[in-house]
Amino acid sequence: DTAVSQTPKYLVTQMGNDKSIKCEQNLGHDTMYWYKQDSKKFLKIMFSYNNKELIINETVPNRFSPKSPDKAHLNLHINSLELGDSAVYFCASSQQGQGAREQYFGPGTRLTVT
Amino acid sequence: SQKIEQNSEALNIQEGKTATLTCNYTNYSPAYLQWYRQDPGRGPVFLLLIRENEKEKRKERLKVTFDTTLKQSLFHITASQPADSATYLCALDMGTGRRALTFGSGTRLQVQP
Repeated sequence: DTAVSQTPKYLVTQMGNDKSIKCEQNLGHDTMYWYKQDSKKFLKIMFSYNNKELIINETVPNRFSPKSPDKAHLNLHINSLELGDSAVYFCASSQQGQGAREQYFGPGTRLTVT
Repeated sequence: SQKIEQNSEALNIQEGKTATLTCNYTNYSPAYLQWYRQDPGRGPVFLLLIRENEKEKRKERLKVTFDTTLKQSLFHITASQPADSATYLCALDMGTGRRALTFGSGTRLQVQP
């Protein structure tokens, strides 16, 4: 009964390649996020979607493009990968509403660019 | 500039003692503060949320305090167990429609048997 799932768990690729990470949640939530956790363990928001609409787009290179085909999915496509893109990427979801603000995170995708 | 600081990178305590973790922030005005647990190789797991108008929140062996004047939250684990060993992250929630969390770098807690 995985609530938030991501694929792949590990991704090793060379500089210049294009790759995608997929995320799915089965919690019925209407908001999904992508966070990046760097080597110093800081988790930083990259994007947030509410009901398939982009509501947050932090200062992220435009090589990163999120796509939300429906409320349960938020994929992350990265073009022209660079060494500095190596990190762990986490997908998360939450339900809009006054009472429930906690976020549910996926297991993460460790991206290594060589 | 805006900062979130969590006390020391690692905290070692003996089993049975109370662990106290600190989260200090500067130049933020969060409406809520959340605490998460992260185990190696896994995503963060939500533990507790406290609102700006609440002083204290408890859940089983966990207690969180929130002092908006000091701009500080304390996270306590009483009767700590080796299974409590993990990294604990505080996260600021501005309470707007923005919804994204701003995380501290975490404190790694090690409970010795």
